[in-house]
Amino acid sequence: DGGITQSPKYLFRKEGQNVTLSCEQNLNHDAMYWYRQDPGQGLRLIYYSQIVNDFQKGDIAEGYSVSREKKESFPLTVTSAQKNPTAFYLCASSMGDGHYTQYFGPGTRLTVL
Amino acid sequence: GNSVTQMEGPVTLSEEAFLTINCTYTATGYPSLFWYVQYPGEGLQLLLKATKADDKGSNKGFEATYRKETTSFHLEKGSVQVSDSAVYFCALTIRGGSNYKLTFGKGTLLTVNP
Repeated sequence: DGGITQSPKYLFRKEGQNVTLSCEQNLNHDAMYWYRQDPGQGLRLIYYSQIVNDFQKGDIAEGYSVSREKKESFPLTVTSAQKNPTAFYLCASSMGDGHYTQYFGPGTRLTVL
Repeated sequence: GNSVTQMEGPVTLSEEAFLTINCTYTATGYPSLFWYVQYPGEGLQLLLKATKADDKGSNKGFEATYRKETTSFHLEKGSVQVSDSAVYFCALTIRGGSNYKLTFGKGTLLTVNP
């Protein structure tokens, strides 16, 4: 089955530690995205990538980093510089090249202890 | 800039009631419009979409019509079920934009009681 997988589903981190969230897709999509969701809020864009080896900051990139070494993978690192990292993180992908519909993974809930 | 405004929830209905969730938008450029649904603890699922004025998106009994004159994309369903209980998000992206970014409303929580 084609889709987007995110792991782990739940993640706990101590303050001051970096943590990496995984996102993999087998849809052969060119574009991938990371969003953050806070309770009662819509989704806010952290980073996006339209092709391999290229990515751009979204609206709230501070304290986050990404890489896009393979088309299928777009990991997100939450660094210790992110002041309020506890949130639900969602990865999405789209075909790109004029195809705008984004498809989402199941999400990772990060809690900082 | 671009923005999406949804009616504030929560919305509580009885089974088989009629549902409307209002969504209006402002956009620079030509938007495509989407409704996504999120069940508790899960990611977002695409519910329906419309890419140009007067298009109607539909899926699973839900419908929404792209109204350019009123900049609206209201979600409707004629008879809701308990299984429709979820959070619904309206979103837009700008066709021809450089990053395909989705702009979301804040979501509307729907609870359907038996």
